[in-house]
Amino acid sequence: GDSVTQMEGPVTLSEEAFLTINCTYTATGYPSLFWYVQYPGEGLQLLLKATKADDKGSNKGFEATYRKETTSFHLEKGSVQVSDSAVYFCALSDLKTSYDKVIFGPGTSLSVIP
Amino acid sequence: DGGITQSPKYLFRKEGQNVTLSCEQNLNHDAMYWYRQDPGQGLRLIYYSQIVNDFQKGDIAEGYSVSREKKESFPLTVTSAQKNPTAFYLCASSQGFWETQYFGPGTRLLVL
Repeated sequence: GDSVTQMEGPVTLSEEAFLTINCTYTATGYPSLFWYVQYPGEGLQLLLKATKADDKGSNKGFEATYRKETTSFHLEKGSVQVSDSAVYFCALSDLKTSYDKVIFGPGTSLSVIP
Repeated sequence: DGGITQSPKYLFRKEGQNVTLSCEQNLNHDAMYWYRQDPGQGLRLIYYSQIVNDFQKGDIAEGYSVSREKKESFPLTVTSAQKNPTAFYLCASSQGFWETQYFGPGTRLLVL
């Protein structure tokens, strides 16, 4: 079945460092891909999404490119801030195969220190 | 502002007690979902509903029940049959079935 794999955390970075959180997926169809962010004690917020190969999603300085050839959707940000400390979830939705769910990765915790 | 509200923010359950978590959305979304999140883990689907008066079990429905009598409301009841209910519960909605989901702020359930 479809699945999402994320790099294990926690990830700790200094402010202004470059961020990459790896996400790879397995899908038999052509899924839409998402990154969600969860701040401490809150619900998930959609950060960005891409619906087809080579699409780039971007928001708040974060970017991710849908790479069909490597089945990846890595999240990047050029310069992180303390306020970016949160848990990041990669997810996919494929109505043709995973007809009964959105599949979330386990989440990657990011801590940014001043 | 449109959005999803969940109440209460914190909920305490006594042994053998049923408790109900509220989820309301004013986004005019057709589909709604309930997830459970345990510390350090991802989300697990409890129940989902595509339209009013219809709902389906997710991966971990045992010990939970739902209703969908109105488009904007999708309450979750945690019954006494759920032996390990302590978790963070998240409600979500989407315009179409399994399209981009928008989440509420969550309810943390604790057992006394």
